[in-house]
Amino acid sequence: DAKTTQPNSMESNEEEPVHLPCNHSTISGTDYIHWYRQLPSQGPEYVIHGLTSNVNNRMASLAIAEDRKSSTLILHRATLRDAAVYYCILRSHNAGGTSYGKLTFGQGTILTVHP
Amino acid sequence: DAGVIQSPRHEVTEMGQEVTLRCKPISGHDYLFWYRQTMMRGLELLIYFNNNVPIDDSGMPEDRFSAKMPNASFSTLKIQPSEPRDSAVYFCASSKTGRPPLHFGNGTRLTVT
Repeated sequence: DAKTTQPNSMESNEEEPVHLPCNHSTISGTDYIHWYRQLPSQGPEYVIHGLTSNVNNRMASLAIAEDRKSSTLILHRATLRDAAVYYCILRSHNAGGTSYGKLTFGQGTILTVHP
Repeated sequence: DAGVIQSPRHEVTEMGQEVTLRCKPISGHDYLFWYRQTMMRGLELLIYFNNNVPIDDSGMPEDRFSAKMPNASFSTLKIQPSEPRDSAVYFCASSKTGRPPLHFGNGTRLTVT
C-alpha cells in the first residue's frame, strides 16, 4: 500500500473547525483513503473513508484533492472528546485477495483540543 | 451491539510464563484481526482469520506466539514463554466481509517483568 504523510501534531480550540491534512502522492487508482482515530486508552475507531468524491458522515467530512495526492479530514466543531491520534491510511478494497483489514498504521497526527 | 470484547484489560506476568489473551468479535463478523501496539513500532498486524481459518500470520513475531479461533465467537492469542519485549497493548478487531469499517476492542495491556 502507498505511504501517507501526516503532521506529527496539531492543536485546536473547542468548537472551532479542524482540518487534518494527509499527503499520499503515490496513491494508486484502487486505493481508498481511510481515517481512523484513537482516543486515549482505547482501540482505533473508524472515522470515514472515500475514493474520489468528498464524503460526509455524522463524525466528519473528507475532502479529497482532484489529483487524489492529498486529502483533508474536517471536524466541523471540535470538542474535547475529539482529542486523539488521527491516522490516514490507504487501502484497496480488493487488494489481490487479501483482506481490507490488513491495515498499515503510520504515526498519525496527535490532535490536542483546548477548552 | 456490545462491540469487540477483549479480556483481560490488563495482564502483568513474569518472564517465562504463559499468557493468553481473549477476544470475542462482533456477532456476524467473519474476519478477525490481532494487532499489537508499542511506542517503538506503533500498530502492527500480527495475524488475521476469515471464517475461523488463519489466513495470514506473517506478522507473528516468532514461534512463541500462537493464535486460534475455535469458533466464530472466540479467539485467543497465546504467548509461551513470555518475554519483557512482548510488553505492549494487544488489540483484537473484527469486520464483516473484510470491508470497512474495522471495529477494534479496547485492548489488553500486557506487562512482562
